[in-house]
Amino acid sequence: GIQVEQSPPDLILQEGANSTLRCNFSDSVNNLQWFHQNPWGQLINLFYIPSGTKQNGRLSATTVATERYSLLYISSSQTTDSGVYFCAVDNYGQNFVFGPGTRLSVLP
Amino acid sequence: DADVTQTPRNRITKTGKRIMLECSQTKGHDRMYWYRQDPGLGLRLIYYSFDVKDINKGEISDGYSVSRQAQAKFSLSLESAIPNQTALYFCATRHRFGGTDTQYFGPGTRLTVL
Repeated sequence: GIQVEQSPPDLILQEGANSTLRCNFSDSVNNLQWFHQNPWGQLINLFYIPSGTKQNGRLSATTVATERYSLLYISSSQTTDSGVYFCAVDNYGQNFVFGPGTRLSVLP
Repeated sequence: DADVTQTPRNRITKTGKRIMLECSQTKGHDRMYWYRQDPGLGLRLIYYSFDVKDINKGEISDGYSVSRQAQAKFSLSLESAIPNQTALYFCATRHRFGGTDTQYFGPGTRLTVL
């Protein structure tokens, strides 16, 4: 089945810094989503982005489907951005496959 | 009110006990999913259902069973719980509409098997 990798596994930032999280996948996909899991465990959908670029406030995401990767950009990070960021892909099957996540800690 | 709810939110049980985790949704979505999350890992799919009569095994279905009682309800059972089923369990719905395809997660159930 499709493999999903995320890097870096852990990231520590000072508040106000920018960051880039990466998701690599091993096969073509028809769906890619980014999720944020907050420190209380809640999973929130950030982007549905099988290709192209989207922006939502301080967050943006780009997927280059032909090269099998996606990037999540966080600008001017805030402490509330802390948590784990997951990439999940669906390669024309019925289900999502999740990556292992990037744990982000934003320090005040 | 939350669109996807899970009960209980926390449960401690003993090895060999039967446990049921319940999920309800008010979103009207046909597709529902059960995942488990282990520390430091992503989510892994246990079972999924596309409608009341369509239930399918996921990546890690051994030791689990499910019931789709209605469009809005999808329950996960552990027939005889074992310690390595200690994990965080999530229910989710999925909706494809207008060029988007999104999953919506419940708050999770933290299960500890002693």
